[in-house]
Amino acid sequence: KAGVTQTPRYLIKTRGQQVTLSCSPISGHRSVSWYQQTPGQGLQFLFEYFSETQRNKGNFPGRFSGRQFSNSRSEMNVSTLELGDSALYLCASSSAGGHTGELFFGEGSRLTVL
Amino acid sequence: AQTVTQSQPEMSVQEAETVTLSCTYDTSESDYYLFWYKQPPSRQMILVIRQEAYKQQNATENRFSVNFQKAAKSFSLKISDSQLGDAAMYFCAYRYNNNDMRFGAGTRLTVKP
Repeated sequence: KAGVTQTPRYLIKTRGQQVTLSCSPISGHRSVSWYQQTPGQGLQFLFEYFSETQRNKGNFPGRFSGRQFSNSRSEMNVSTLELGDSALYLCASSSAGGHTGELFFGEGSRLTVL
Repeated sequence: AQTVTQSQPEMSVQEAETVTLSCTYDTSESDYYLFWYKQPPSRQMILVIRQEAYKQQNATENRFSVNFQKAAKSFSLKISDSQLGDAAMYFCAYRYNNNDMRFGAGTRLTVKP
């Protein structure tokens, strides 16, 4: 079974631009969560989608948005990039109902904002 | 608010020795999950061990075991017979129901040959 796949793995943007990151969950998983990881703030929860609906949302500005498609693939978008948005963005999937509570992580998309 | 605290930013262990990583959490819930995740340098985060709060027995996975003290809200990870491949960031995490998973700040483990 293929794991969680995130694309692109690395990208460099300049301030003011926007970026879209993609995540393909493990087959059969209907929940996709996004986290931002930085050395200073650690792992911070962005949002979670389940069956195309946002189920949970973290404390991030509206510049951060996401969506989930009918095949459970998810995208997150960051508009008007700021230097502080430089981070590793992690996507994680879990099975329907999340009975084990476990999240399966992708390798991440490393965003650098110049 | 549910928070997870890892008070050891860095730990070091000699190869083949045993090390314990500490974690405490705060919650008012009675049924939840606790996890330890491992993130090697530039590699993906993987699950090391999981504990369900309603189970009194401590979880064990090969060389990895936990000491779960529910009343004290403590969840430490013991790594026995440490190997060079155990070097990584270790994150303690908490999850209640289908809410978001909360992570501690992490402990960087160094294994000395």
